[in-house]
Amino acid sequence: GAVVSQHPSRVICKSGTSVKIECRSLDFQATTMFWYRQFPKQSLMLMATSNEGSKATYEQGVEKDKFLINHASLTLSTLTVTSAHPEDSSFYICSAEGAGGTQYFGPGTRLTVL
Amino acid sequence: QQPVQSPQAVILREGEDAVINCSSSKALYSVHWYRQKHGEAPVFLMILLKGGEQKGHEKISASFNEKKQQSSLYLTASQLSYSGTYFCGTEKILGSGNTGKLIFGQGTTLQVKP
Repeated sequence: GAVVSQHPSRVICKSGTSVKIECRSLDFQATTMFWYRQFPKQSLMLMATSNEGSKATYEQGVEKDKFLINHASLTLSTLTVTSAHPEDSSFYICSAEGAGGTQYFGPGTRLTVL
Repeated sequence: QQPVQSPQAVILREGEDAVINCSSSKALYSVHWYRQKHGEAPVFLMILLKGGEQKGHEKISASFNEKKQQSSLYLTASQLSYSGTYFCGTEKILGSGNTGKLIFGQGTTLQVKP
């Protein structure tokens, strides 16, 4: 149980394009999902908290107009990186909050912007 | 406000024990421990919710000293499969209720050799 999927697992795009990443909780419902960014050999940096049916809450320094989050249902949250640039290249990981406050992580999406 | 983990890295022989510490400058509501292998998502190990609580998961256990705002992860009789980077995620106490947001430490890299 408590499986979270992410799609795509890897994406390469040109500078200036937008990329959408999906995060799904497969066998449980999640009112709250979280989006993280991880650079090589570094920690997970929380970007935003995604709440079903309401606006996402962004961490300080994260541009909400650049990283659009939509939590359309209790099993799906999407992160759209708009007008991507090479500095947006990173490993993006989502997590879904399950019972007892445990966060279950998706497998991550490797974004490379050329 | 990122929790501090120590040590940064540790190398063990199979069967040896290790302790990883996680300290916060803020009062904590909970501490979560994860293990991440290279290129993969973090895998949940355990969550500690109460001061002084200890939990176990196979040969991996953890304690939470609420007063000292720190947690320790104990790995006993280490196996090759224990290799990876261990992260603690801390949730602060908030007056208005907890958001479930985790702030992760910088990680401790554990390498178990035959």
